[in-house]
Amino acid sequence: AQTVTQSQPEMSVQEAETVTLSCTYDTSESDYYLFWYKQPPSRQMILVIRQEAYKQQNATENRFSVNFQKAAKSFSLKISDSQLGDAAMYFCAYRSAVTKAAGNKLTFGGGTRVLVKP
Amino acid sequence: DAGVTQSPTHLIKTRGQQVTLRCSPISGHKSVSWYQQVLGQGPQFIFQYYEKEERGRGNFPDRFSARQFPNYSSELNVNALLLGDSALYLCASSRLGTSFGEQYFGPGTRLTVT
Repeated sequence: AQTVTQSQPEMSVQEAETVTLSCTYDTSESDYYLFWYKQPPSRQMILVIRQEAYKQQNATENRFSVNFQKAAKSFSLKISDSQLGDAAMYFCAYRSAVTKAAGNKLTFGGGTRVLVKP
Repeated sequence: DAGVTQSPTHLIKTRGQQVTLRCSPISGHKSVSWYQQVLGQGPQFIFQYYEKEERGRGNFPDRFSARQFPNYSSELNVNALLLGDSALYLCASSRLGTSFGEQYFGPGTRLTVT
């Protein structure tokens, strides 16, 4: 079974600064997808960024970028130019690419709370 | 288009009771997944349904069951409620078959068992 670990329960960042969230995962599969989700205090989970394991190029979405290290099974999220609206819980998630067997199941880490100081 | 909707928003039940939670997916989405999120933890996968068939089941007891209707909406049922079932229950919909299988989450139903 796959596991996802987020070792930082909470991270604090000054507005306009950069913060990096860590995520490691354990899997025996070679093809899979990785995601970062944001859950603001209003609770609705929003997809921030995604990465396919077979792509070496790191994904980028505006101020959000990832550092995907497949051999190390590491998938960190960098938030640049942090804004007050970035304050939320951030979850790293794994999904197998073996669609029929695993369906759409997401395996989540325990989350990292991001605090943004004005 | 409307996003994923869930009802009710909040629910308070007593131990031993039964509860039904409802989810309507985004129009055009045929897959619905259910997750349980205990306070302070990441969501845990409960079920996935696609075209009214169960496609995946997480490590939850048989007290948890679900079904999907012809209009792709879904219900999650939990019998014989325990205090430990208190959690936020999230529903997510997706178009199965996309390369990422991106899931769109609803706002959740907060269940409190007393």
